[in-house]
Amino acid sequence: DARVTQTPRHKVTEMGQEVTMRCQPILGHNTVFWYRQTMMQGLELLAYFRNRAPLDDSGMPKDRFSAEMPDATLATLKIQPSEPRDSAVYFCASGPGQGAGEAFFGQGTRLTVV
Amino acid sequence: EDKVVQSPLSLVVHEGDTVTLNCSYEVTNFRSLLWYKQEKKAPTFLFMLTSSGIEKKSGRLSSILDKKELFSILNITATQTGDSAVYLCAVEDRNSGYALNFGKGTSLLVTP
Repeated sequence: DARVTQTPRHKVTEMGQEVTMRCQPILGHNTVFWYRQTMMQGLELLAYFRNRAPLDDSGMPKDRFSAEMPDATLATLKIQPSEPRDSAVYFCASGPGQGAGEAFFGQGTRLTVV
Repeated sequence: EDKVVQSPLSLVVHEGDTVTLNCSYEVTNFRSLLWYKQEKKAPTFLFMLTSSGIEKKSGRLSSILDKKELFSILNITATQTGDSAVYLCAVEDRNSGYALNFGKGTSLLVTP
């Protein structure tokens, strides 16, 4: 049963701490996306990769956020230092083609920064 | 500034009713429009539309795209309580590298 796997599912941390979220895309998918969802803003694209190369991270606050794909089975999103306004659900999605198309979403990481 | 606008924002109907959800968009180089259903967790894929006037259908759900007027509708007939969810519309823009631009969603509640 192919699925996108995200860890951790929940994270509570104090302001200023580093947070690392991980994503295992579906095997064979060559496009990986990171989205953030809040009540106010809805789903916002943070970054995405194709064939492990970063294509666009313009949606990401560069001073504190970083996204990487060290290999084809792992994507990471790091926040350092975290702030309360970063509290949100972070979704990873992967897709098989050139476009987003039928992107498959992971279950998300619910981050709370206190 | 919003590229994808959904309406209504929320909707309450009775079981058995038919609902129509709307999505209008504005992108510079359209590739596709997608509908997702989000219950408590991750969005799940419903439809992908690329051509005008061709209805996509899955059970009680159907969707159609109008590329001239830049909108799509999602219809749900004979609604059931299990249809209660947030329905998200997203548009792929070639100029944004095919990333999905999501609307804010329509929250649908189907009451017994």
